[in-house]
Amino acid sequence: EPEVTQTPSHQVTQMGQEVILRCVPISNHLYFYWYRQILGQKVEFLVSFYNNEISEKSEIFDDQFSVERPDGSNFTLKIRSTKLEDSAMYFCASSDEAVLTHEQYFGPGTRLTVT
Amino acid sequence: AQSVSQHNHHVILSEAASLELGCNYSYGGTVNLFWYVQYPGQHLQLLLKYFSGDPLVKGIKGFEAEFIKSKFSFNLRKPSVQWSDTAEYFCAVTTTGRRALTFGSGTRLQVQP
Repeated sequence: EPEVTQTPSHQVTQMGQEVILRCVPISNHLYFYWYRQILGQKVEFLVSFYNNEISEKSEIFDDQFSVERPDGSNFTLKIRSTKLEDSAMYFCASSDEAVLTHEQYFGPGTRLTVT
Repeated sequence: AQSVSQHNHHVILSEAASLELGCNYSYGGTVNLFWYVQYPGQHLQLLLKYFSGDPLVKGIKGFEAEFIKSKFSFNLRKPSVQWSDTAEYFCAVTTTGRRALTFGSGTRLQVQP
């Protein structure tokens, strides 16, 4: 069964550094998403992406964040200058536009630790 | 903005006990409702969803949920739990025209053998 994959599984970075989190969505899916979960808190929506542009974003997704589909398979989340409060589990998801219920399939997550 | 509440944060049951996990949402319009499960060390997986039609929805692994519009609820049920159901369960909602999932805080279910 096709799966969403994410790399790395754990990333440690220093405050102020840039990080790029990578995702490979399911191959025939056209909608891509990033969510995050700070330890002990809810899973929160960050951004959705379709047809090479952002289709929706939350208040969390400020100028420090960007997303890109650099090639036909990868989908990336970049955090320009990390802060301590960016420490969280980041989940990528994808969905099939053709499916009316547009259910989202999640990857295993990248744990980001900012020190 | 919509929100989702899961009132049970941690539930401990013995095998074969019945399960009901509460989920309430706040939104005045049309919603799509989901239950996701996260087994230890694994990623979020869809258990079941409600989009339209029959408000009683059956999902994988013997789970079902009932959408009660008047109560803004979408409770998850299973008549007899197994040790392998130990996991965290998340209720989530999307609204008309939006694909962003709004999640509840999750319920950690521990099933004792």
